[in-house]
Amino acid sequence: SQTIHQWPATLVQPVGSPLSLECTVEGTSNPNLYWYRQAAGRGLQLLFYSVGIGQISSEVPQNLSASRPQDRQFILSSKKLLLSDSGFYLCAWSWRSLGPGNQPQHFGDGTRLSIL
Amino acid sequence: GNSVTQMEGPVTLSEEAFLTINCTYTATGYPSLFWYVQYPGEGLQLLLKATKADDKGSNKGFEATYRKETTSFHLEKGSVQVSDSAVYFCALSDPSGTYKYIFGTGTRLKVLA
Repeated sequence: SQTIHQWPATLVQPVGSPLSLECTVEGTSNPNLYWYRQAAGRGLQLLFYSVGIGQISSEVPQNLSASRPQDRQFILSSKKLLLSDSGFYLCAWSWRSLGPGNQPQHFGDGTRLSIL
Repeated sequence: GNSVTQMEGPVTLSEEAFLTINCTYTATGYPSLFWYVQYPGEGLQLLLKATKADDKGSNKGFEATYRKETTSFHLEKGSVQVSDSAVYFCALSDPSGTYKYIFGTGTRLKVLA
């Protein structure tokens, strides 16, 4: 079976500090990978998605970047955090081998990021 | 473009009441449709899905039918429990092949004992 891991679960960082959130998927190959942000009480905002190693699509201009150094690893980074970066960050994956459209996404447990 | 519209929450019901959460969509082509549930402090869990018109997805007493003629995918449950209290998201897969998914804004359900 497939599993997705996100860490850390909770993070408190000062304004201006760097950020690195990691997500890994087990039990599948060539997944599509996604980063979302969810503000308190709000819906999901797609930040980045990737359909292969080194292939990153950015959805929203912002203070964040993403990288996919390995097939099942997706990293969200920032060089200098802003107060507005606070939120709940979710990683997700979906099957690529089965083609676009029919398969659901599967989500990690999320990272709650608080910027002070 | 593609979009998903959900009814505004919160929805507050008594235990054993009937639940309907409305979801309508706009899409060019034929998307797959999904309902996700999010419990406090957790990620989203897939609740059910439907991949073509007239398909009915069901799971844990929840049901939703893919209605192409009304572009809807309403979530229903005959008798809610306190444990169903959560936020529910309707979503569609981008039918143009980008591997992206479009989510509604979520509907918070609160079930009272």
